[in-house]
Amino acid sequence: SQQGEEDPQALSIQEGENATMNCSYKTSINNLQWYRQNSGRGLVHLILIRSNEREKHSGRLRVTLDTSKKSSSLLITASRAADTASYFCATVNTGGFKTIFGAGTRLFVKA
Amino acid sequence: DTEVTQTPKHLVMGMTNKKSLKCEQHMGHRAMYWYKQKAKKPPELMFVYSYEKLSINESVPSRFSPECPNSSLLNLHLHALQPEDSALYLCASSQGLAGVEQYFGPGTRLTVT
Repeated sequence: SQQGEEDPQALSIQEGENATMNCSYKTSINNLQWYRQNSGRGLVHLILIRSNEREKHSGRLRVTLDTSKKSSSLLITASRAADTASYFCATVNTGGFKTIFGAGTRLFVKA
Repeated sequence: DTEVTQTPKHLVMGMTNKKSLKCEQHMGHRAMYWYKQKAKKPPELMFVYSYEKLSINESVPSRFSPECPNSSLLNLHLHALQPEDSALYLCASSQGLAGVEQYFGPGTRLTVT
């Protein structure tokens, strides 16, 4: 079963608005990653946050991690039509190599 | 070169056929991965190779047979597939062995008839 669960499953916003996606996971992790996937294509790594970090920024992306609640959020500010994609969180089990992706959030940004 | 290439882009095969998917990276990455992704679902890990050795097999049926001929190439041999195996097959690679910052190829869209 997938470890990461994300909400919302789908999100539709206007260009310029912010988009927030949430991810929950079940086991201990060393880090949590976020990936983007444009329709039917490969995934692109966006950002990684380590278990000892609470917040991380990269351009218009802001990621938070709450290990006590086993949850993370991805905020995309000032969204653009080109941000339309599916966004997945991904975790790797502590001491292992197994990557588990969350269910994903499908973001649609209207121009 | 930060690209992972996959061939073919599309593949249609019958249940009695034998075919292979190919993946290549020239980034010197030490780990390579195969994922299966059904429509509107997240990728599911199938196999992980580290230093050209199979390190993870996620209980994948034997009709899928991975091969890593060298550090740049990863193959997935397909035989006697079922229609439910139709999916997007993604290859990825990473420098480290802990699944961090994986680079994905564009995938092979497989249809089993």
